[in-house]
Amino acid sequence: GNSVTQMEGPVTLSEEAFLTINCTYTATGYPSLFWYVQYPGEGLQLLLKATKADDKGSNKGFEATYRKETTSFHLEKGSVQVSDSAVYFCALNKNQAGTALIFGKGTTLSVSS
Amino acid sequence: GAVVSQHPSRVICKSGTSVKIECRSLDFQATTMFWYRQFPKQSLMLMATSNEGSKATYEQGVEKDKFLINHASLTLSTLTVTSAHPEDSSFYICSARAPVSGGEKLFFGSGTQLSVL
Repeated sequence: GNSVTQMEGPVTLSEEAFLTINCTYTATGYPSLFWYVQYPGEGLQLLLKATKADDKGSNKGFEATYRKETTSFHLEKGSVQVSDSAVYFCALNKNQAGTALIFGKGTTLSVSS
Repeated sequence: GAVVSQHPSRVICKSGTSVKIECRSLDFQATTMFWYRQFPKQSLMLMATSNEGSKATYEQGVEKDKFLINHASLTLSTLTVTSAHPEDSSFYICSARAPVSGGEKLFFGSGTQLSVL
């Protein structure tokens, strides 16, 4: 079946450190891949997405590349800020009408100054 | 941008009581809403898909008589946990599908933490 596996947290970094949160997926066909972020007390927000192999999604300094050969969509940021502290969810969509997203467990990121 | 309001954010109830969670799309009409549940350190698990004016579609293993979903209008879906028990304690999140230029987009509520004593 379809599933998403992302690295266990929490991830604790100092400001300006490099961030990687690993995400791998299992899916039939050609899913779209997403990273969502949830800041404290808020709903999930779409951070970035990629819809086909080798696409790179980017937003707010975060990037992730759709790697079909390794079935991965790792999230990276070159220099994190305290305001990036949140829970990050990797997700996939089977690209079928009416289907919901399939999520990973979420990774908590804490950035200290 | 589109906003989904979910209420309450936190609820504590006694075992055997029922709890209603509301999910509202504030500035768009959502023909489809999704309800998820998350246990600690687990994935967000889809419980059901709610379509306005019709019965919800439940995922395998989710009891439809226990988790009542009503989507009576294009801006409101409710999830009622009936006769709640401690094992129903979880984090519940709704999402709504909104039409945007070029396609669709999903917006999420901030979640409801349910604790059943």
